[in-house]
Amino acid sequence: KQEVTQIPAALSVPEGENLVLNCSFTDSAIYNLQWFRQDPGKGLTSLLLIQSSQREQTSGRLNASLDKSSGRSTLYIAASQPGDSATYLCAVRGNTPLVFGKGTRLSVIA
Amino acid sequence: EAQVTQNPRYLITVTGKKLTVTCSQNMNHEYMSWYRQDPGLGLRQIYYSMNVEVTDKGDVPEGYKVSRKEKRNFPLILESPSPNQTSLYFCASSSHVENTEAFFGQGTRLTVV
Repeated sequence: KQEVTQIPAALSVPEGENLVLNCSFTDSAIYNLQWFRQDPGKGLTSLLLIQSSQREQTSGRLNASLDKSSGRSTLYIAASQPGDSATYLCAVRGNTPLVFGKGTRLSVIA
Repeated sequence: EAQVTQNPRYLITVTGKKLTVTCSQNMNHEYMSWYRQDPGLGLRQIYYSMNVEVTDKGDVPEGYKVSRKEKRNFPLILESPSPNQTSLYFCASSSHVENTEAFFGQGTRLTVV
């Protein structure tokens, strides 16, 4: 059974710092990995989708990498801003719909 | 516009009163699923469907029912809601094509008193 772990559970950084969020998964037989953002009490916003054949994907200040063989993904956020404060979730898709990690709660302090 | 629509967005109900949360997608997706989100537990899958008339249990199916009579709709049914089903619920859909993203509804906040 696929299990997804995100470390750290919470992170607080000053504005302007670059930061890395980690995601690991136990079954490397995945089709893709998706990173989401969730604001408190709100829905999920898709940030990046990395296909199983890809190594990384970029969107603006966000860069996500995937190492399928080792079961790891990272989300790199450059030049963080207070508006980046949210919970970041990674989810993997294999033979069944998405399995989620518990998320990393990010606070960017002005 | 591609979207997944859940209704209602907010619901307060009493223990034992049957309720249905609807989910509809306009992307002709084969896969649909329901999740619940609780503090400290993350998003847990309740049920999923790979296509019309095909449904399977997820990690926390107890107390829930689903049906998939049409491709676009995947309602979540609570026959006899209990307070431990108070949660934030999300519906999702995706194509059977492997490397496509999943789309989520806006969520339904359910309170059972």
